[in-house]
Order: sequence, then structure tokens, then C-alpha cells
Amino acid sequence: DTGVSQDPRHKITKRGQNVTFRCDPISEHNRLYWYRQTLGQGPEFLTYFQNEAQLEKSRLLSDRFSAERPKGSFSTLEIQRTEQGDSAMYLCASSSKTGTGAAADTQYFGPGTRLTVL
Amino acid sequence: AQTVTQSQPEMSVQEAETVTLSCTYDTSESDYYLFWYKQPPSRQMILVIRQEAYKQQNATENRFSVNFQKAAKSFSLKISDSQLGDAAMYFCAYRGENFGNEKLTFGTGTRLTIIP
Repeated sequence: DTGVSQDPRHKITKRGQNVTFRCDPISEHNRLYWYRQTLGQGPEFLTYFQNEAQLEKSRLLSDRFSAERPKGSFSTLEIQRTEQGDSAMYLCASSSKTGTGAAADTQYFGPGTRLTVL
Repeated sequence: AQTVTQSQPEMSVQEAETVTLSCTYDTSESDYYLFWYKQPPSRQMILVIRQEAYKQQNATENRFSVNFQKAAKSFSLKISDSQLGDAAMYFCAYRGENFGNEKLTFGTGTRLTIIP
């Protein structure tokens, strides 16, 4: 079990550029979540997938944001025409609906991608 | 919509002492889950402890325990025998039980400092 991984760990971009982040969940987990965390705040939900289906999107996810999870494995989060307000830590988490005990349906987080928009 | 409130932005405790972090939440659901996550500086979010709302018994994990008061919608975290490695931001989080409400709603966090 290698845990949730995210790539890149850091991204600096200029305003107006497009960026894409990748998340690889824990291998047997069928649910994948994206959150955004700004400095000094708790994470805020963006969207989540069960397998390849995107089940919910937050109002925070403007039309410049798109997320995919092809084949129900890794996921990508793309931000088009980045703005300075997009600067934040983007966190990915995964969970498994099946299983028993404390681990069942508990979300495990990756290290995050820190985005800085200049 | 559910809300989670952490009223203590910062707390400090002497090493080896006990500290309690507060969390209150608001929900109209009867079944849900509550979590405490720890986020060390520049490191990833780690699950500390989890409580199912239908369980009356408070969850414990080694030095970490919770005081879950369902009627009062309160969920505090007690850390016993505090260690330097406990220094971190601590986030309280809520998750609904029903399909379509599995996202986590977080509080604003409490920064815990351990004094050697």
C-alpha cells in the first residue's frame, strides 16, 4: 500500500495559463475526492468520483475547472485560464465503500499540489 | 448544509500534559461520521480518530480519545501525554451517511503547539 500520491507537488504558473494535476488513489479504493485548501483554512470540497462517475460538484468548481477519472483509476484536475485566486493547496483523497471496521469509507489524503498563480 | 466550528484557533500544552481541542457541528441528519485529522507543517493530512454517530461509546486510539456528545453536537479531542510530534494543525470534520453526502466538511482548524 503506497498511499495516495499527487503530482506535481508544486506548480508555479502565470495568470491565464492552464494547469493540470494528477492524483493516484490507493489501489483498491473506488472513491476519489478533490479538495482545495487556502492558507489558514480547512479543506473545502470540490468534487468526487465513484469509479469513473463524477457524483457531485461543488459550487466552488467554476466552469474553468474540470475533473476526470478515466477507467476509475487515477484522476486529473484541470484549471483553465488560471487566476490569482486559484492559488491554494489542492488535495486528493480516496476511500473504499466496502470493507469493515474503522477503515471502511474513511478518506485518506495525498500530500497535495501547491499551486501558485503569479 | 452541515457546518463545523472550531473555536480555538491556537492551543499550547506542555510536553507530557493533556490537552483538549473543541469542535461543534450542526446537522439535521441522525447518522453521520466525525473525524479528527492532523496536518503537520508542510506534510499531509493524517487521520487521527473517527467516531460513528450511532455508537454511544467514545472512540479511542492510543493517546487520543474523543468526547462525543450527540445531543449537544459536540466532538472534542483529548490528547494525553502530549509529545513534540503532536505539534500540528488539527481539523475536525463531518461526513454524512447518506448516498450523495459523503464529502467531508471541515472546521477551520486548531494549531497545537507543544512546549518542551
